[in-house]
Amino acid sequence: AQSVTQLGSHVSVSEGALVLLRCNYSSSVPPYLFWYVQYPNQGLQLLLKYTSAATLVKGINGFEAEFKKSETSFHLTKPSAHMSDAAEYFCAVRWGSTLGRLYFGRGTQLTVWP
Amino acid sequence: DAGVTQSPTHLIKTRGQQVTLRCSPISGHKSVSWYQQVLGQGPQFIFQYYEKEERGRGNFPDRFSARQFPNYSSELNVNALLLGDSALYLCASSLSASGGADTQYFGPGTRLTVL
Repeated sequence: AQSVTQLGSHVSVSEGALVLLRCNYSSSVPPYLFWYVQYPNQGLQLLLKYTSAATLVKGINGFEAEFKKSETSFHLTKPSAHMSDAAEYFCAVRWGSTLGRLYFGRGTQLTVWP
Repeated sequence: DAGVTQSPTHLIKTRGQQVTLRCSPISGHKSVSWYQQVLGQGPQFIFQYYEKEERGRGNFPDRFSARQFPNYSSELNVNALLLGDSALYLCASSLSASGGADTQYFGPGTRLTVL
């Protein structure tokens, strides 16, 4: 079965610290991978996506993610957290056989302490 | 340019009632997808429509139905509401229904509360 796992439902960091949000997916067939952010009472905003052009993908707001096929992972990082990064982050995966359908992880709530 | 719009923003219904949610995609986008996001979970795929035809359906009961109009806007209908239908319903639009790296752009959602 196709699935997406986000390790850690809550992550807390201090302002200026490294942010690392983890995402693993099932299946050895490389999928298309996305990270979305959701601020309170809002919809989802695309941070970045992997399209097989490069394994390290840079997104908006200083975020980046690295695709590692051997580990079936697509972890999201940011070198220095900002208070405005506090939000919920979702990893989403699309496999070729599922056409437009996105499979989402359960989300990781990021808290940034001053 | 306007993003994806959804109406209403909030809705309160009682069990057994029916509800219709509306979505207007980004101009030029021909595909609309619907997702249900229950509190504390990631969005779950309900439907995808492209050129007025259903292209995909998630694991939801027949009480859920949708349609897409010639202007590519869409409606999601839920009949015989249950308490468990309380959720944020998200609409996403994309250029095509082929998937791949095609980005889905999400609207702000409709918050449905069933009492």
